Amino acid sequence: QLQLQESGPGLVKPSETLSLTCTVSGGSISSSSYYWGWIRQPPGKGLEWIGSISYSGSTYYNPSLKSRVTISVDTSKNQFSLKLSSVTAADTAVYYCARPAAVNQVNYFDCWGQGILVTVSS
Amino acid sequence: QSVLTQPPSVSAAPGQKVTISCSGSSSNIGKNYVSWYQQFPGTAPKLLIYDNNKRPSGIPDRFSGSKSGTSATLGITGLQTGDEADYYCETWDSSLSAVVFGGGTKLTVL
Repeated sequence: QLQLQESGPGLVKPSETLSLTCTVSGGSISSSSYYWGWIRQPPGKGLEWIGSISYSGSTYYNPSLKSRVTISVDTSKNQFSLKLSSVTAADTAVYYCARPAAVNQVNYFDCWGQGILVTVSS
Repeated sequence: QSVLTQPPSVSAAPGQKVTISCSGSSSNIGKNYVSWYQQFPGTAPKLLIYDNNKRPSGIPDRFSGSKSGTSATLGITGLQTGDEADYYCETWDSSLSAVVFGGGTKLTVL
């Protein structure tokens, strides 16, 4: 059974870079043509897609975040990662990693990590 | 401001039916499949409907989805108190080349 687990610092200072990793277990990140995504949810607010990456490194980013986001994949560790630069309090959110239900599909996510709360504060 | 528009809240009595609307445009709902998610407080979203009207394994047929033009609808029949949750629509926006979500709808089962 596929499982995703987010990890990283729960507290980041303003203007610094938020870095998170999603570890995939129960399946290989490079075994099929899946896209692997990051979605966030500010406290009390709705879902916002950040971006997605394929095992080969092809990426899609949310245009509103594109200038600050880098998503990468490490197939040797079965992980993919998120970096969000120049963070502000508005980036405080629960960050989820997720995988779509079908290969070559960027959206409709059927497997989610539990989420990790990242707070931006000095 | 979300690209997809949902009502902030809906409510209905146990056993009744409720619908949740999701309005978009020709570049997103009008051109691509719609998905729906259910989210309970403190938990990750769960895929309820994909490809407009298909249910993943394990999702009861009380949940249904439909699409017409640039709008989509989630229907829930035989409401239960356990259905109280937030519901989100989602699709691909071909102009933005991005996944877009609705703002979410809080369902209250009175």
